Amino acid sequence: EDKVVQSPLSLVVHEGDTVTLNCSYEVTNFRSLLWYKQEKKAPTFLFMLTSSGIEKKSGRLSSILDKKELFSILNITATQTGDSAVYLCAVPPGGTNAGKSTFGDGTTLTVKP
Amino acid sequence: DTGVSQDPRHKITKRGQNVTFRCDPISEHNRLYWYRQTLGQGPEFLTYFQNEAQLEKSRLLSDRFSAERPKGSFSTLEIQRTEQGDSAMYLCASSYLGLADEQFFGPGTRLTVL
Repeated sequence: EDKVVQSPLSLVVHEGDTVTLNCSYEVTNFRSLLWYKQEKKAPTFLFMLTSSGIEKKSGRLSSILDKKELFSILNITATQTGDSAVYLCAVPPGGTNAGKSTFGDGTTLTVKP
Repeated sequence: DTGVSQDPRHKITKRGQNVTFRCDPISEHNRLYWYRQTLGQGPEFLTYFQNEAQLEKSRLLSDRFSAERPKGSFSTLEIQRTEQGDSAMYLCASSYLGLADEQFFGPGTRLTVL
């Protein structure tokens, strides 16, 4: 059965700090790994990673995948209070008929002013 | 707003009652997914459709749950004889077949079973 484990479960930092969130996975026929941000509503898409070692960036957020060690990290630099949210990692199964994702339980990030 | 929409946003019901939720996906998306999320956990897959065909259903889904997507557009999720353990956020997501992994989520329906 596919498995996604995120760490830490929660994190409290102050504005301006840099944080690193971890996601490890076990999945057959890996195809991609996705990061989502969830505030008090539905998850919103951040990144999709398919290739090892290629960093994806969006403003202060960046993410990279290591397919050999089966993990990904999400970095947030110069954190702001608006970054407070649950960050979810998800892995869809492989195969042509796939699409559903297995999610981790998320990392709850709290950024204090 | 052309995103995924869900109705109702909140539902409170008594144990034993039936409830039905609706999801309207992004119009050009042919895949539609239902997930359930409880506090402190990530979304848990329930079922998904490609057009009107229900392609997969989680083995965790009891026979009290049924989903339809009759015309390949909106979908409904019905829970019969609700139990307190059904209390959760029910999330709908949609995607385009060519980019199936990138799913767009609706705001969810929060169900409380008393």
